Amino acid sequence: SQQGEEDPQALSIQEGENATMNCSYKTSINNLQWYRQNSGRGLVHLILIRSNEREKHSGRLRVTLDTSKKSSSLLITASRAADTASYFCATLSTDSWGKLQFGAGTQVVVTP
Amino acid sequence: EPEVTQTPSHQVTQMGQEVILRCVPISNHLYFYWYRQILGQKVEFLVSFYNNEISEKSEIFDDQFSVERPDGSNFTLKIRSTKLEDSAMYFCASSGPRGGEYEQYFGPGTRLTVT
Repeated sequence: SQQGEEDPQALSIQEGENATMNCSYKTSINNLQWYRQNSGRGLVHLILIRSNEREKHSGRLRVTLDTSKKSSSLLITASRAADTASYFCATLSTDSWGKLQFGAGTQVVVTP
Repeated sequence: EPEVTQTPSHQVTQMGQEVILRCVPISNHLYFYWYRQILGQKVEFLVSFYNNEISEKSEIFDDQFSVERPDGSNFTLKIRSTKLEDSAMYFCASSGPRGGEYEQYFGPGTRLTVT
């Protein structure tokens, strides 16, 4: 089964605007992690939210988790051109110790 | 800030050849992982490794693949006989003492091109 599906697939915004992307998943999870990937580069860890948490903040990032709907959202406030990247959610199912399952990602372009 | 490193950054090999991809995880981490990302596709889990044993592996991780922690710092992925479809970006990751319950930190990746 597919896990960690993000929407939208692509998002284009102007600097200063907020960017919101969503992630849906199918199984029971231990935690959900968001990553950023600049074109052709490695995955940068942004934030981890556990199944018993509903919201988490880190700088300009705000993540929510709704386990009843099996969904999460990532909000980037006051976006900058440097936020241009692909954003992925990755879930750790309760039946796994370390296997992260990634979605296809949301490609975000922030124009100055 | 500690980070995961990987070498080489790019490896070109001919079909049927063996390749070894190398990773140095974050020094106090105990759990290690390999993932791959075929161009334009999702990041896929290959294997997790703890206490010198494979703890979990995916269907992709067949007999052609093996992992090893040859010393206290390196973690390697070997592909015995490469195929064209093995061309991908390979990421190493590591996480702390509680394994997957905590953040996995990824290296910059090795781009493997099989010709």
